[in-house]
Amino acid sequence: EPEVTQTPSHQVTQMGQEVILRCVPISNHLYFYWYRQILGQKVEFLVSFYNNEISEKSEIFDDQFSVERPDGSNFTLKIRSTKLEDSAMYFCASRGTSGGETQYFGPGTRLLVL
Amino acid sequence: AQTVTQSQPEMSVQEAETVTLSCTYDTSENNYYLFWYKQPPSRQMILVIRQEAYKQQNATENRFSVNFQKAAKSFSLKISDSQLGDTAMYFCAFMTHTGANSKLTFGKGITLSVRP
Repeated sequence: EPEVTQTPSHQVTQMGQEVILRCVPISNHLYFYWYRQILGQKVEFLVSFYNNEISEKSEIFDDQFSVERPDGSNFTLKIRSTKLEDSAMYFCASRGTSGGETQYFGPGTRLLVL
Repeated sequence: AQTVTQSQPEMSVQEAETVTLSCTYDTSENNYYLFWYKQPPSRQMILVIRQEAYKQQNATENRFSVNFQKAAKSFSLKISDSQLGDTAMYFCAFMTHTGANSKLTFGKGITLSVRP
């Protein structure tokens, strides 16, 4: 069964460093998302992406964040200068169009900013 | 703005018994979708069940079923014949649009423990 994959599974970085989180959505899906979950809290929407552009972003998704679909398979989230409060689990999700209301999540990347 | 409320932070159930997890939501939309996701200790988000608001029939998936009360804006999850593998965090989620601007709004989650 097709699934969303994410790399790396864990990332430790120093405050102020740039990180890139990678996702490979399900191959025939057209809508892509990033969510984050700070430990012990609920899952929060960051950004949605369709047709090679951002379709919606939350207040969390400030100028330090960017997304890109550099080729036909990858979908990346970049944090330019990480802060301590960026420590969280980051989930990528994708959705198709045919009966495609369901978003399928990847296993997540656990980011720790020191 | 849509909100999703899960007021029970934790629940516990004996193996093989039935448990119901509550969820309410608030929206002015008429067409929307509701989901329950499971998050085991691995922290992966796994879809459990989904309900389209325009469908009156409650969704079922094997041991999982929902009680969808549109007028009351309530969407509870019933787990029958609970198994140890059901131990996880359960999130209720809401989505309006299915176009480019669709996004999931999650509740705070409920931690379910299944006792042997």
